[in-house]
Amino acid sequence: QKEVEQDPGPLSVPEGAIVSLNCTYSNSAFQYFMWYRQYSRKGPELLMYTYSSGNKEDGRFTAQVDKSSKYISLFIRDSQPSDSATYLCAMSGQGGSEKLVFGKGTKLTVNP
Amino acid sequence: EPEVTQTPSHQVTQMGQEVILRCVPISNHLYFYWYRQILGQKVEFLVSFYNNEISEKSEIFDDQFSVERPDGSNFTLKIRSTKLEDSAMYFCASSETYSNQPQHFGDGTRLSIL
Repeated sequence: QKEVEQDPGPLSVPEGAIVSLNCTYSNSAFQYFMWYRQYSRKGPELLMYTYSSGNKEDGRFTAQVDKSSKYISLFIRDSQPSDSATYLCAMSGQGGSEKLVFGKGTKLTVNP
Repeated sequence: EPEVTQTPSHQVTQMGQEVILRCVPISNHLYFYWYRQILGQKVEFLVSFYNNEISEKSEIFDDQFSVERPDGSNFTLKIRSTKLEDSAMYFCASSETYSNQPQHFGDGTRLSIL
């Protein structure tokens, strides 16, 4: 079983749609959960950072962590064409490790 | 907003040659990292660095790789004798003073080995 699994898509939605992106993971020791956005030929840009289970909201973005199900989600409300990018989930904290373990990324296109 | 900067943006090197990738982390950050992303694959951790020493490294980070903080601002990744399979995007990241703070990434160096 892969450590972090993420559906690569591609996912195509109309402008204004609610987007749901998800990752599952196998290692229950992960404690910190992140979502990064990556535009073509650019580095990952941090969107959301959460510790343990729960929800966190920042503008149009909401991150959810369910540690009991080993499942994390990112919701984007009122999606815009500028949200078109690859979204990477990442997690860390197993055994005190700092390293981020990434999902493969979901490519999202928001059509005007 | 402060950012991590990496140079060069693209490096082309002959197989067997040494290459040095450079990074300037965010100025008040004390933890530094290198990751790589082979085309079409996941971003993979290579090494973390704190207080002038390696704190963790992956299996990928073998004896061909080394990291250094030669001065107060730069953080470098050296690959001693490059192989074709070293072709990838290499990302530098940094985070603040204490552990498991968010890591902020540069835009990467695309390394092409011929």
